[in-house]
Amino acid sequence: GAVVSQHPSRVICKSGTSVKIECRSLDFQATTMFWYRQFPKKSLMLMATSNEGSKATYEQGVEKDKFLINHASLTLSTLTVTSAHPEDSSFYICSATHHTEHEKLFFGSGTQLSVL
Amino acid sequence: LAKTTQPISMDSYEGQEVNITCSHNNIATNDYITWYQQFPSQGPRFIIQGYKTKVTNEVASLFIPADRKSSTLSLPRVSLSDTAVYYCLVGGWGNEKLTFGTGTRLTIIP
Repeated sequence: GAVVSQHPSRVICKSGTSVKIECRSLDFQATTMFWYRQFPKKSLMLMATSNEGSKATYEQGVEKDKFLINHASLTLSTLTVTSAHPEDSSFYICSATHHTEHEKLFFGSGTQLSVL
Repeated sequence: LAKTTQPISMDSYEGQEVNITCSHNNIATNDYITWYQQFPSQGPRFIIQGYKTKVTNEVASLFIPADRKSSTLSLPRVSLSDTAVYYCLVGGWGNEKLTFGTGTRLTIIP
């Protein structure tokens, strides 16, 4: 099946710094990628929808200046958490739709962000 | 977007068949039903997908009644490694965003 690679798997940073998370579709073109946030023992919350070559669409309540999303190519989307604070600590997950298997979502392995 | 309702948690013993039902009363004509499995600190993993009737693959079966307002994921002879959260998603796909429900936390007991 299609593979979505997400890096890093875990990151610890100081408050006030920025962190970039990469999401790559390894063997397919992903015109659309999605970014989620998940708190312990909670469900995934959609943060934004990222389309290649255009601005991301953010869900209500998600600060676009805090969570910068770039989808510059058909295989790469990045999420940058700017000026991170402890409340941004969470598990971040990306997913992508396959350009020929539109019925399925393929997920990355997630990134655990801890802000000290 | 079709909303889904699942039991919050279920327990089962090893070797038993487990059935998890998901309600999706306002499913649209072009919506598929897809189930995902998630282990702690990992991204969800595709299990099975269907549109109507029954679908079976190497790990599970999916039963969908004629009205498509619910679906049941069936896991045969579960083992401890099946302990996970199972999510039912309904959507027409393409570039459509999807909303995750609460999921069902399945615990397999030795």
